Amino acid sequence: SQKIEQNSEALNIQEGKTATLTCNYTNYSPAYLQWYRQDPGRGPVFLLLIRENEKEKRKERLKVTFDTTLKQSLFHITASQPADSATYLCALDMSNTNAGKSTFGDGTTLTVKP
Amino acid sequence: NAGVTQTPKFQVLKTGQSMTLQCAQDMNHNSMYWYRQDPGMGLRLIYYSASEGTTDKGEVPNGYNVSRLNKREFSLRLESAAPSQTSVYFCASSPSNTGELFFGEGSRLTVL
Repeated sequence: SQKIEQNSEALNIQEGKTATLTCNYTNYSPAYLQWYRQDPGRGPVFLLLIRENEKEKRKERLKVTFDTTLKQSLFHITASQPADSATYLCALDMSNTNAGKSTFGDGTTLTVKP
Repeated sequence: NAGVTQTPKFQVLKTGQSMTLQCAQDMNHNSMYWYRQDPGMGLRLIYYSASEGTTDKGEVPNGYNVSRLNKREFSLRLESAAPSQTSVYFCASSPSNTGELFFGEGSRLTVL
């Protein structure tokens, strides 16, 4: 079965710096990969989706890369702000026809200090 | 626009009791899902419904049943609750074939 590893449980950075979160997976490459944000006591909120044939996706201060050779996705938040503090989840979907049957990582908790 | 609404938000049960978690979405999505989230184990899929009238097992279906009542509503039932079912349960919906999941705010269940 697919196994997902997200880098260290907690990441602390200074405001204004770039946060880089890692998502590594084993076995087969997914059809697409997603990143979600989750605040304490709330449900996950979708941020970005990147497909297996895409190298990079951007949305405002967010950037996602997808390297199927390394079996890795990197999630970057540039010019980070304290409001970016949250847990970020990586999720993989193995098939384009089974949307939503995602396998999730445990998440990385990001703290941005002023 | 409410999105995905789950009820109840909190529930405490005794071992062996039954209960139903309700979920409704107002986005006209075809697909709906139930996940559970436990510390150190991430979100795990319990059951899903790709469209009205269909349901399928996910990764951890044992001890649960579901009903896709109509396009809007997808309920999760625990027939005989066990302490191992203490968790936070999330309902989600998705437009078909996009992959993007819209989650509710969660239902926190404790089984004593």
